[in-house]
Amino acid sequence: QAVLTQPASLSASPGASASLTCTLRSGINIDSYRIYWYQQRPGSPPQYLLRYKSDSDNQQGSGVPSRFSGSKDVSANAGILFISGLQSEDEADYYCVIWHNSAYVFGTGTKVTVL
Amino acid sequence: QITLKESGPTLVKPTQTLTLTCIYSGFSLSTSGVGVGWIRQPPGKALEWLALIYWDDDKRYSPSLRSRLTITKDTSKNQVVLTMTNMGPVDTAIYYCAHRHYFGEYDYWGQGMLVTVSS
Repeated sequence: QAVLTQPASLSASPGASASLTCTLRSGINIDSYRIYWYQQRPGSPPQYLLRYKSDSDNQQGSGVPSRFSGSKDVSANAGILFISGLQSEDEADYYCVIWHNSAYVFGTGTKVTVL
Repeated sequence: QITLKESGPTLVKPTQTLTLTCIYSGFSLSTSGVGVGWIRQPPGKALEWLALIYWDDDKRYSPSLRSRLTITKDTSKNQVVLTMTNMGPVDTAIYYCAHRHYFGEYDYWGQGMLVTVSS
């Protein structure tokens, strides 16, 4: 089982909102982790979006619109990237990342399609 | 303005050693908390973290690839070098280097370079 699991794909309409989940493997408690989120458009390197550990420990990447936000669902042991007001330019792959046992771990990635 | 650029061979043969260089500018790899990491992405697949070197020369490696990887830095040349031994076709990927911020995010990335492993 992967350390970080993300849904393979998500589709939504322009203007809608989307919640991307990043579920930690059972036995790894999300509470103590910073979660980093990246966006990767086709043919481009990843771009840093934001990091989230708690409401008092989080940061938006430089120039990242406020319609991107992070949170956690502790009951589901998952990190969440919320995108409001989806735009065509948001069509991309999204990755979550944590620092776990002295190594970075990337999630499996979610492909977001804006229909 | 922070920039990073990867360079190295685009084609390597199976069993050969890959040496990639990341040339950076706009920051000092002597600044506390800063690091440079390597991440790769096989065609059509997810990102995979490889290695990280910190300002103080501390190094971290992917557990699954640790035995094959070496990361070094030369701050006088603003370079970070990654070597990967015993390359195989499954190592075909785009290799990125990235600036690691004090709080752990990779906030600046190189454009990446495709390395193909084939005889």
